[in-house]
Amino acid sequence: QKEVEQDPGPLSVPEGAIVSLNCTYSNSAFQYFMWYRQYSRKGPELLMYTYSSGNKEDGRFTAQVDKSSKYISLFIRDSQPSDSATYLCAMSGYGSGGSNYKLTFGKGTLLTVNP
Amino acid sequence: GAGVSQSPRYKVAKRGQDVALRCDPISGHVSLFWYQQALGQGPEFLTYFQNEAQLDKSGLPSDRFFAERPEGSVSTLKIQRTQQEDSAVYLCASSLGTVETQYFGPGTRLLVL
Repeated sequence: QKEVEQDPGPLSVPEGAIVSLNCTYSNSAFQYFMWYRQYSRKGPELLMYTYSSGNKEDGRFTAQVDKSSKYISLFIRDSQPSDSATYLCAMSGYGSGGSNYKLTFGKGTLLTVNP
Repeated sequence: GAGVSQSPRYKVAKRGQDVALRCDPISGHVSLFWYQQALGQGPEFLTYFQNEAQLDKSGLPSDRFFAERPEGSVSTLKIQRTQQEDSAVYLCASSLGTVETQYFGPGTRLLVL
């Protein structure tokens, strides 16, 4: 079992829909949680960065972290065709031999928003 | 340029050839990282530099992989005697410190035939 599990999709939604993406993880040492967006043939671009548990909102994006369940989510409201990309969760943390700089990524979920 | 740049963007190598991949981090960024992204997978950590010091090379898959950052800015990832399983996108990232946001370059797509 990988440290970070993410359903690769693909996920296809109509424009304007609310999108829910999520990851589960097994390493309780993870403290820093990130969501990256990656367009085809581009590098990952940071969308959201959360430390420990809780919610964080930025425009149409909301990130949630539930450390007790080892579950993180990204919600996209009023999705747009320009949101079509692969969404990668990533995390890092001290403890159990971990490090706060080494990002462990999920596989990525391919999202298509149809006009 | 304000972002991380990588060259070449694409590289085709014959099995057994040596390749060198270059990364230019954001100016002033202390930390530099290399990741490997196989097709359909998330990036996987290879190695980490703080200035010119390579502090972590635990992710390098074999001794054929070597990375350096001699002056604490530009970094080169070298792969000797390339194998087909080395085919992947090699991503470079930099950050101001250790826990700050990692900014990724566009990657070098390596295909070994």
